[in-house]
Formats: sequence, structure tokens, C-alpha cells
Amino acid sequence: GQQLNQSPQSMFIQEGEDVSMNCTSSSIFNTWLWYKQEPGEGPVLLIALYKAGELTSNGRLTAQFGITRKDSFLNISASIPSDVGIYFCAGRINSGGSNYKLTFGKGTLLTVNP
Amino acid sequence: EPEVTQTPSHQVTQMGQEVILRCVPISNHLYFYWYRQILGQKVEFLVSFYNNEISEKSEIFDDQFSVERPDGSNFTLKIRSTKLEDSAMYFCASSRDRNIYGYTFGSGTRLTVV
Repeated sequence: GQQLNQSPQSMFIQEGEDVSMNCTSSSIFNTWLWYKQEPGEGPVLLIALYKAGELTSNGRLTAQFGITRKDSFLNISASIPSDVGIYFCAGRINSGGSNYKLTFGKGTLLTVNP
Repeated sequence: EPEVTQTPSHQVTQMGQEVILRCVPISNHLYFYWYRQILGQKVEFLVSFYNNEISEKSEIFDDQFSVERPDGSNFTLKIRSTKLEDSAMYFCASSRDRNIYGYTFGSGTRLTVV
């Protein structure tokens, strides 16, 4: 089945630093999404990307849909303590009968030291 | 902000017992989903449901699992005879359309099988 390789697995940074994480796949995805999960909560959608090459921002977050449709990155600028959490990439194929499911990466645990 | 509501937040059950996890999706959403997350691992797709039938399911969603929309507001996941390895967080999600616009997750039910 489809697999997303997300890196890094964890990051420890100082408040104010920029952060970058990425996801790669051997399969093509037609939609890429980035979620944040905090303890005891469900994933919360941060950014959705629908077209290859698309670059989208949401406040201090910027994400890009790779031109090959096999990768995506998420950048967080000027990190703050409330950015702490697990960040997941997720992809959707939207073809061949697989229209609905999201395939998730294993997550990047972000810790921000004040 | 509309949200997906899941009950209970935590359920403990004996191995072999049946459990029903309940979800109230966002009211104008038409597509419903269940995912699970084993502790420390990635979120995995179980099933999607549209127009009162399953539209897609994963290999995890075997004969022990079933879903139902018993009325106009609830969406349930039943596990017929729980196993220890069913212990996980179960997330319900819903979306307004098949383009996953507004794809929103609930806070989850933590199922512990003892």
C-alpha cells in the first residue's frame, strides 16, 4: 500500500527559530495535507494542497506540494511555544477507487524551548 | 466553529466484548470516516461512508468491524469481539464533499481492551 516517509521524527528547537519538515512517497498523491495533533486531541488541519507545485501559507506556516506529486514540505517560521505538538503529513490519491482515504505519515514531534 | 463530537472519550472493555463507538459528524457534512491510531504510531484509515453505504475500507476493517448511521445525526463504529490489539485511539471524521473540503476530525475515543 501507499506509504509516506516523514522526517525528521522529532525536533527540539528554541523559540523564534524556523522549522522545516517534509514527507516523501514512492507513489503519486493528488492532494497533500498537513495536520497538527496535540495530546488527547484529534488531528487539526493546517494546510491543504491540491495542485502540483502549489505553495500555500497559513500565518507563519508555509507548505508546498512537490512538482513530482511525491513530496511536500511544511515550514514554520518564528516558532512559539504553542507550536509544540505532532505534525502529520497526509496524502490522498483520488483515483482507482481510493477516493476517500487519507494516508498519514508517522509524524514529526516538535518541541519548542521558550 | 462546527465540530465532530465523539463519545465516550475513553472506554475500557474486556477482551471478547462488543463495543460501539459513537460520533456526531458536522451537520451539513455528507462523508463520514473512521480512523485509528495505536499509541505512538501514525493515524490509519479504517472506513469511509457515504449515502448509507461503505464507500471504501482498509484491510484493517475486517468482519469484526461494522459502521452504521442509525439516524440523521449519529455515526457509529462497532467492534464485535474486541482483541487486545484493538486498543487504540479511534477518530471519527467528516467532510462536506468528496474533495475533502472541511475534512474535520473529532477528539477521539481511547479504547483500552483488557
